[in-house]
Amino acid sequence: DTGVSQDPRHKITKRGQNVTFRCDPISEHNRLYWYRQTLGQGPEFLTYFQNEAQLEKSRLLSDRFSAERPKGSFSTLEIQRTEQGDSAMYLCASSASQGLGSPLHFGNGTRLTVT
Amino acid sequence: GNSVTQMEGPVTLSEEAFLTINCTYTATGYPSLFWYVQYPGEGLQLLLKATKADDKGSNKGFEATYRKETTSFHLEKGSVQVSDSAVYFCALHVSNFGNEKLTFGTGTRLTIIP
Repeated sequence: DTGVSQDPRHKITKRGQNVTFRCDPISEHNRLYWYRQTLGQGPEFLTYFQNEAQLEKSRLLSDRFSAERPKGSFSTLEIQRTEQGDSAMYLCASSASQGLGSPLHFGNGTRLTVT
Repeated sequence: GNSVTQMEGPVTLSEEAFLTINCTYTATGYPSLFWYVQYPGEGLQLLLKATKADDKGSNKGFEATYRKETTSFHLEKGSVQVSDSAVYFCALHVSNFGNEKLTFGTGTRLTIIP
C-alpha cells in the first residue's frame, strides 16, 4: 500500500492560466474523490468517480473545472482560466466500495496559489 | 441535506488534560460517522469511525460514540499528549446511489502544551 499520491505538491500560477493536477489512488481502490480545502475550513466535495465513470459533481465545480479518470486508475483535475478564488488545497482520496463506512484515504494534496 | 457542526477552535490544553471535541450532525438517512485528523504538514488520516447507533469507535486512546438520539459523535481522550496537536475533522457519509460523498465539519485545531 503506497498510499494516494498527488502531483504537484505546490503550484503557483497567474490568473487566467490553465492548471492540471494528477492523482494516483491506491491501486485496488475503485472510488476516487476530489475535494477542495481552503484555510480554516473542512474539505468540500468536488467530484467522485467509480472506476472511470464520474458519478457526482458538486455545484462548486464550475464549467472551468473538469476531471477525468480515463482508465479507472489515475485521475486529473484541470482548472481553466484560473481565478484568485481558486487558490486552495486540492485533495484527492480513494476508497474501496465495500460495506458501510469504507474510509477515504487521502493524499497530501496540491496547494494552488493563483496570483 | 447533510451537514456536520463542530466545536469551534482553536482548543489549547495542557498535557495529560481531558479532551472533548463536540460534533453534531444532520443527515437524510442513516450515516456512518468518522473522525479524521490532519497532523502538521500531512494529509488527512482516518482516526476512528462508527457505522451504526451506539457503536463506539476508538483508536490511539481517542473514543467517540454514535448517539442517534442526540445526533452527536463527540471525540474524547482521557489524557492528551503533545503529539496529539493537530486539526480534527468530524465527517459523515450517507450511502445512497449517486450520493457517495463524505461531508466534513470545519475542523477543530488542537494544541497541547507541555
